[in-house]
Amino acid sequence: NAGVTQTPKFQVLKTGQSMTLQCAQDMNHNSMYWYRQDPGMGLRLIYYSASEGTTDKGEVPNGYNVSRLNKREFSLRLESAAPSQTSVYFCASSGDRLDYGYTFGSGTRLTVV
Amino acid sequence: AQKITQTQPGMFVQEKEAVTLDCTYDTSDPSYGLFWYKQPSSGEMIFLIYQGSYDQQNATEGRYSLNFQKARKSANLVISASQLGDSAMYFCAMRGVRDNFNKFYFGSGTKLNVKP
Repeated sequence: NAGVTQTPKFQVLKTGQSMTLQCAQDMNHNSMYWYRQDPGMGLRLIYYSASEGTTDKGEVPNGYNVSRLNKREFSLRLESAAPSQTSVYFCASSGDRLDYGYTFGSGTRLTVV
Repeated sequence: AQKITQTQPGMFVQEKEAVTLDCTYDTSDPSYGLFWYKQPSSGEMIFLIYQGSYDQQNATEGRYSLNFQKARKSANLVISASQLGDSAMYFCAMRGVRDNFNKFYFGSGTKLNVKP
């Protein structure tokens, strides 16, 4: 099925541990995004990539790094996890037409203890 | 810069009644798109409806319609004949052609509860 695939779906980390969230899309979209959503709140953009080989900071980039490995894959890395990074993380992709909305992955629920 | 405002943190509606979720936006971009997403308690984000700034007619998708008032910069979502399964968070979003086309701007969301 076409779409955006995120792994893992759930993760518990200890403070200071590192991990990489993986995201892949098979819709040939140029743009990919990472968002975080805290309980009862909206979506905040962490990083995005408008095309293969480019990445840009969003609203809340501190504590994160990203890699646009190829057109399909966009990973998010937490180098030293902190409890404040406990959140649900969504990857999304979008095509280049104005009427193309986001296609979202199913989300990763991350808890940092 | 673009901004999306959803002023209703939470709303209740009786099953089978219609409900309007408000969304206002601020942009200087002459061409833009407006989107609504639904997030049920299971967490996934579901695309509902799209409205282009130059579209002459309001968008409709099944029980969803978008009441687009360009001069007022509002793009309210209307759900007709509410169902229990409509209980969810709803987010309004936009993207502009000129102002960083690759970024979507989201509102803070409205939590809708449908009462039986």
